[in-house]
Amino acid sequence: ESVLTQSPDTLSLSPGERAVLSCRASQPLSNDYLAWYQQRPGRAPRVLIYRTSYRATGIPDRFSGSGSGTDFTLTISRLEPEDFGVYYCQHSGTSMFTFGGGTKVEIK
Amino acid sequence: QVQLVQSGAEVKKPGASVSVSCKASGYTFTANAIHWMRQAPGQGPEWMGWIYTDSGKTTYSQKFQGRVTFTRDTSATTVYMELRSLTSEDTAVFYCARSLGWFSDWGQGTPVTVSS
Repeated sequence: ESVLTQSPDTLSLSPGERAVLSCRASQPLSNDYLAWYQQRPGRAPRVLIYRTSYRATGIPDRFSGSGSGTDFTLTISRLEPEDFGVYYCQHSGTSMFTFGGGTKVEIK
Repeated sequence: QVQLVQSGAEVKKPGASVSVSCKASGYTFTANAIHWMRQAPGQGPEWMGWIYTDSGKTTYSQKFQGRVTFTRDTSATTVYMELRSLTSEDTAVFYCARSLGWFSDWGQGTPVTVSS
């Protein structure tokens, strides 16, 4: 199964700036079931994007996902103060589910 | 609305077992699998396995195979996770999550501390 590597480890940006988070798979993913989650301290993760590019219910349109094969991206078009936290990508395979190591987004 | 409510924090000694429950509401319990994740302090979530809530069929990550058991009670719309032979590495927050092919809804997490 693919290993998911996220970069950068940390992003420190100001409100209004654009954030681009990368998730790279060690081999082409078997399907498009790549999701992105946001986790704030002390809270459970919440899904932002599923199946690579679909926004989950209630997620603002400043969040978008794209990619295929081995390279996937989460873009936050204009950062809001509440967007701080750790972001994880995750792939659902046939019998294995894997998470990336996370990117921490800090708001300056 | 969909809710997954987990049981409370646990403190266990090394070698002991822990059981965590996850009560589902707001949807048809048998329609979706429930997955379990472990998240150690400062780390990302780690997938442990899943249970089909209709049949009770389970699949476990190789890492936890032989040490974990998932069960469900359809009348109580509750899934249970038992983890045995605890070590300090199991000091973590454990989450259940509903799967639609991705983890659409999560429980609030159950902290488990393993300490002598």
